[in-house]
Amino acid sequence: DTEVTQTPKHLVMGMTNKKSLKCEQHMGHRAMYWYKQKAKKPPELMFVYSYEKLSINESVPSRFSPECPNSSLLNLHLHALQPEDSALYLCASSRARDGMSGYTFGSGTRLTVV
Amino acid sequence: AQSVTQPDIHITVSEGASLELRCNYSYGATPYLFWYVQSPGQGLQLLLKYFSGDTLVQGIKGFEAEFKRSQSSFNLRKPSVHWSDAAEYFCAALSYNTDKLIFGTGTRLQVFP
Repeated sequence: DTEVTQTPKHLVMGMTNKKSLKCEQHMGHRAMYWYKQKAKKPPELMFVYSYEKLSINESVPSRFSPECPNSSLLNLHLHALQPEDSALYLCASSRARDGMSGYTFGSGTRLTVV
Repeated sequence: AQSVTQPDIHITVSEGASLELRCNYSYGATPYLFWYVQSPGQGLQLLLKYFSGDTLVQGIKGFEAEFKRSQSSFNLRKPSVHWSDAAEYFCAALSYNTDKLIFGTGTRLQVFP
């Protein structure tokens, strides 16, 4: 298995909703990442997990809450989002935090906040 | 500050023509360098990477890139473009002392038949 699987592919949520994005990989990678990508912009790093521990938080608002229950799974819990949070959310993984092997990206979750 | 620059926002080429996408980086030391491709609404696929050694790197789909330290550049090339190469291309750099993969602003490639 050489893939990063993200679910759901599309999500529409209201500003008072609570939802979660899921990311899964079975490549034995020990570093996992969340990126946010707005239209026609490059991906921007949000969080880095290394060996299931949060190692980097790029000053992301607390309405985004990451969780890494095990080495294969990464979640992003969403609560009280704003319309400007609408974006493509990409999950990635790498063999280790140094990323030398390159990052493997999932296809993303297209999030729309209404 | 560490940064990656892609000077060309949009490039249009004819199918069969050669292609060069430019990338420049600004880092204290040579970072690890990558090229990714993204089709509309999709994730990113790694084309190739450079860490050290041979400055000409071969990747997937017939792409190659050349690292030039003197110019702080890592340009992507393909001798003959196919219509399926139309996509967004991102150059990225990873500094080993920050573990953050930073992307350039991207170059959108359009291919005409």
